[in-house]
Amino acid sequence: EDKVVQSPLSLVVHEGDTVTLNCSYEVTNFRSLLWYKQEKKAPTFLFMLTSSGIEKKSGRLSSILDKKELFSILNITATQTGDSAVYLCAVYSGGSNYKLTFGKGTLLTVNP
Amino acid sequence: DSGVTQTPKHLITATGQRVTLRCSPRSGDLSVYWYQQSLDQGLQFLIQYYNGEERAKGNILERFSAQQFPDLHSELNLSSLELGDSALYFCASSALIGTNTDTQYFGPGTRLTVL
Repeated sequence: EDKVVQSPLSLVVHEGDTVTLNCSYEVTNFRSLLWYKQEKKAPTFLFMLTSSGIEKKSGRLSSILDKKELFSILNITATQTGDSAVYLCAVYSGGSNYKLTFGKGTLLTVNP
Repeated sequence: DSGVTQTPKHLITATGQRVTLRCSPRSGDLSVYWYQQSLDQGLQFLIQYYNGEERAKGNILERFSAQQFPDLHSELNLSSLELGDSALYFCASSALIGTNTDTQYFGPGTRLTVL
C-alpha cells in the first residue's frame, strides 16, 4: 500500500525563524510529489516536483526532491504569521491508473 | 478563488439518508477529483473522472458513487449515510488527465454533518 509520511506533525516557531518540513514516501511507480498549504479552507498548490536535486523556489518557500532516498523537504525562511497553516505533501503514483496519496500534514504555527 | 465551485457549502442530514454533492470544475478543465477530509483520516482521495470517464479510484466506499456529466460538472452521491461519513468533501479539477505535470485546484469544499 502506498504510504506518505510527514514530519514533524506539529511545529511552533517565532517570526523570522527558518523551518524545514519533511515528507518521505513509499509508493509503487512514483510520478511526482506535490506540496500544498491548507489554512482554514481548501488546500492551495505550492510546488510539484518530479526530478531529483532540482530546487523549486517561490519567494521564501523552496522545495527539493530526493528520489533515491524517497523524500522531499519544504523550507520556509524568515517565517511570518501568515505562514501558519497545515502543509500537506502528496505523491502521484501508478501506471495506467493514477493515484494521489496524501500525508497527514505538518501543522506550522508562527508566533509573533 | 480557484475557479472550482462546490454546492452546497454545508449539509446536515440524518443517518441512513442519501445526499448529492455537486462540483463545477474550472473552465476548460477536463479532470475532476473528489476527496474526503476528516479529523482522524486526513485528506483521502476518493475518485477521479476525466472527460466523463472514471480514471482512477481511491478509498471510495461502495455506498458512494460519482459521475461526470457532458458539461464536465460532477456529482458525488453518498447513500446509507453513517455518522463516520461526517467530513469535509473537496472537489478539485485539473486541465489534463492527471499526469505528473498537472496541477490540481481545489474547490472550497462541502461540509457534511450526519446526525
